[in-house]
Amino acid sequence: QSGLTQPPSASGSPGQSVTISCTGTNSDVGGYTYVSWYQQYPGKVPKLIIYEVDKRPSGVPDRFSGSKSGNTASLTVSGLQAEDEADYYCSSFTDNNFLVFGGGTRVTVL
Amino acid sequence: EVQLVESGGGLVQPGGSLRLSCAASGFTFRNYWMHWVRQAPGKGLVWVSRINHDGSTTTYADSVKGRFNISRDNAKNTLYLQMNSLKDEDTAVYYCARSASFSFHHWGQGTLVIVSS
Repeated sequence: QSGLTQPPSASGSPGQSVTISCTGTNSDVGGYTYVSWYQQYPGKVPKLIIYEVDKRPSGVPDRFSGSKSGNTASLTVSGLQAEDEADYYCSSFTDNNFLVFGGGTRVTVL
Repeated sequence: EVQLVESGGGLVQPGGSLRLSCAASGFTFRNYWMHWVRQAPGKGLVWVSRINHDGSTTTYADSVKGRFNISRDNAKNTLYLQMNSLKDEDTAVYYCARSASFSFHHWGQGTLVIVSS
């Protein structure tokens, strides 16, 4: 079970946008609309911010948006704020009825 | 309010066993698939296992297959993870999570398992 590929880090200045990629294969990201994104602060519990590629749970700001093209999903954080500095993980359902996570991306607000 | 409270973590020697529990409240437990996800210190999230509504279907990551067993007691609103033949690399915080559409909408606070001699 190979994990999904995310860049280890991303950064942006307040007010800017940052986009994180999540690359898989036809057997996971490319084959299903079950891609999710999670935000995790150090030492805290992960929080769901995007599910089914582009849906936001209630309470998640619309600054967070998701998309997918082929085998790559993306999370965009628009209007970056200091509180957005955290680790972000993608996940996907797979052909083997597993779920798989990406390695995580640390977002830094400059 | 949905609440998931894990317990049962601790220090165990390599080759030992441990059973984790996750007490659920605030929702109809028997209606949801449930999962275990773990996170080694300083590392990323790793999916471990899942179980369907009535416990008749279970799936495991290759890294734990044959050693871990997920189960549930819907009468007690509790999810379990029996961990056997533990290895150093099983050291992690273990989270239980409630899923919908293969997404983890609710997480417990986690319980730490340390495998060390």
